[in-house]
Amino acid sequence: DAGVTQSPTHLIKTRGQQVTLRCSPKSGHDTVSWYQQALGQGPQFIFQYYEEEERQRGNFPDRFSGHQFPNYSSELNVNALLLGDSALYLCASNWGGSTDTQYFGPGTRLTVL
Amino acid sequence: DAKTTQPPSMDCAEGRAANLPCNHSTISGNEYVYWYRQIHSQGPQYIIHGLKNNETNEMASLIITEDRKSSTLILPHATLRDTAVYYCIVRAPYKAAGNKLTFGGGTRVLVKP
Repeated sequence: DAGVTQSPTHLIKTRGQQVTLRCSPKSGHDTVSWYQQALGQGPQFIFQYYEEEERQRGNFPDRFSGHQFPNYSSELNVNALLLGDSALYLCASNWGGSTDTQYFGPGTRLTVL
Repeated sequence: DAKTTQPPSMDCAEGRAANLPCNHSTISGNEYVYWYRQIHSQGPQYIIHGLKNNETNEMASLIITEDRKSSTLILPHATLRDTAVYYCIVRAPYKAAGNKLTFGGGTRVLVKP
């Protein structure tokens, strides 16, 4: 039973660039949430996708956008990268768009120079 | 979601039980208590959750006080691999509340030989 997978593992970008991170949910899951975790802090909720729509959003600017595909996989896009966007980006999945338990992937480490 | 308070750090001896406290004095009657842990630079790992009754699984036990204002996560026989940051999270059950998990600072647990 495959768990949540994310790609790439690590990524280095420069300020002003754009980045796309990818997530495949755990088998049987159809809901994907994204979190940002800065060094030394707990994860912060970015947004959630269910039925290919953004259902809930945290306090993040419009530079952060996402997409969910018919196979339930998801992408997180960040435009106009800032140094402060350097973080571990985590994807979590669960079933049914409900409050079913979320399971996290290993994360993508983004470094902005 | 209700706010949680956890001690910032604690040590425990390998092979002994580790008792991790969490205060959630403003919890509502329909909110669940979730525990996750995060081993260095990995994605958070789900441990256990509960509403009112005590819960046990292969990883840990969760003891919730009768007034639900606090809880304790018990790792029955701590091993070096249990060294991690442990997060206690309170979460509403309703679908309308969405999937947002609000992480606090967590407790940094160091298991010593």
